[in-house]
Amino acid sequence: QQPVQSPQAVILREGEDAVINCSSSKALYSVHWYRQKHGEAPVFLMILLKGGEQKGHEKISASFNEKKQQSSLYLTASQLSYSGTYFCGTENRGGGSNYKLTFGKGTLLTVNP
Amino acid sequence: KAGVTQTPRYLIKTRGQQVTLSCSPISGHRSVSWYQQTPGQGLQFLFEYFSETQRNKGNFPGRFSGRQFSNSRSEMNVSTLELGDSALYLCASGAGRLGTDTQYFGPGTRLTVL
Repeated sequence: QQPVQSPQAVILREGEDAVINCSSSKALYSVHWYRQKHGEAPVFLMILLKGGEQKGHEKISASFNEKKQQSSLYLTASQLSYSGTYFCGTENRGGGSNYKLTFGKGTLLTVNP
Repeated sequence: KAGVTQTPRYLIKTRGQQVTLSCSPISGHRSVSWYQQTPGQGLQFLFEYFSETQRNKGNFPGRFSGRQFSNSRSEMNVSTLELGDSALYLCASGAGRLGTDTQYFGPGTRLTVL
């Protein structure tokens, strides 16, 4: 089941904050976050595991709400370099040992000067 | 440290042909995972190899297969190509298994099926 990302697109001015959500209809085991700039390969941002702590790196952090089956990516004091499409990948591990990632359709983030 | 490399970068094939794509991971990495990216379907997970064994597989038909060699280099093969197989194929490598460690993506192979 493909996770649902919201919003689909967001436009910010440099220095503003943004939140991107990723929701699953199934219980989540882990959530991966990536950023992809146009014409480039995705860049891995972070992974959050069930029962794990909120992760963060400089001004980009993420949370994992098991009850809501949702993860949120927080971008604070956005920079021009944050522009790109953000994807979440979820892993449900409903049964067996097959670890399978399913990706959302992405959120296009544009940061303007 | 050299990054993940993929060859070829661009490929044009016709329906019914088969194709083999190659991925060389970062030195020391044992996990290689493959992804298909298209405008319509987005990013989709194909499979992961770790220490020469396929560990995980996405929902793709058996025409999509792969292998990993003892030096961790991986190949992906698609047989009996269909127009819908046109896509950007990405591979990523990691020191640990998928889900346990940072993944580093290669630049991708752009496959066009005519």
